[in-house]
Amino acid sequence: EAQVTQNPRYLITVTGKKLTVTCSQNMNHEYMSWYRQDPGLGLRQIYYSMNVEVTDKGDVPEGYKVSRKEKRNFPLILESPSPNQTSLYFCASSPLQLKSVYSYNEQFFGPGTRLTVL
Amino acid sequence: GENVEQHPSTLSVQEGDSAVIKCTYSDSASNYFPWYKQELGKRPQLIIDIRSNVGEKKDQRIAVTLNKTAKHFSLHITETQPEDSAVYFCAASIAGNQFYFGTGTSLTVIP
Repeated sequence: EAQVTQNPRYLITVTGKKLTVTCSQNMNHEYMSWYRQDPGLGLRQIYYSMNVEVTDKGDVPEGYKVSRKEKRNFPLILESPSPNQTSLYFCASSPLQLKSVYSYNEQFFGPGTRLTVL
Repeated sequence: GENVEQHPSTLSVQEGDSAVIKCTYSDSASNYFPWYKQELGKRPQLIIDIRSNVGEKKDQRIAVTLNKTAKHFSLHITETQPEDSAVYFCAASIAGNQFYFGTGTSLTVIP
């Protein structure tokens, strides 16, 4: 089954304790991205990756790191989590379609990871 | 960076009526505009998208219109059904890499 998976689905941690949220896709997609969703703020992009070893900052990258060593995996790392990083996190992937200037990008989202930082 | 505004934040309609959600964007370089539906406790799912070389796109009861000059785009749902109740997000993207989402519209369809 084609899918994007995230682990863990729920996590409660304490301030300063490093954590990693994994994201994996089995669709051979080039593009992967991380978002956080907060009430009243919609989805905000943290980082994205156009391909292996290529990552770029999104709108809210502070406090996060990512890596893309393999095409299928795109982990999100919080080196020193703080309470303001309490949120619902979504990973997404897509087959990047580049057609001159009119490229488009149908993203498939993972099930989400609900993170609470105390 | 890009700024996407979405209105209204909540919308209630009677079953069978139409629903319209509007978004504006600020960066004229944005050229891809997807709409996502998110049911309670679920992940966002793409329902329709439009590229800047097209003014309107329709898929059964759902349509999206784009006005590049005014920098706004809208989602139209006709003949609404209770299963259309969800939160809808618009987004704008330049070349399909960085995405900016609106703050969402909670649609309730009253049977």
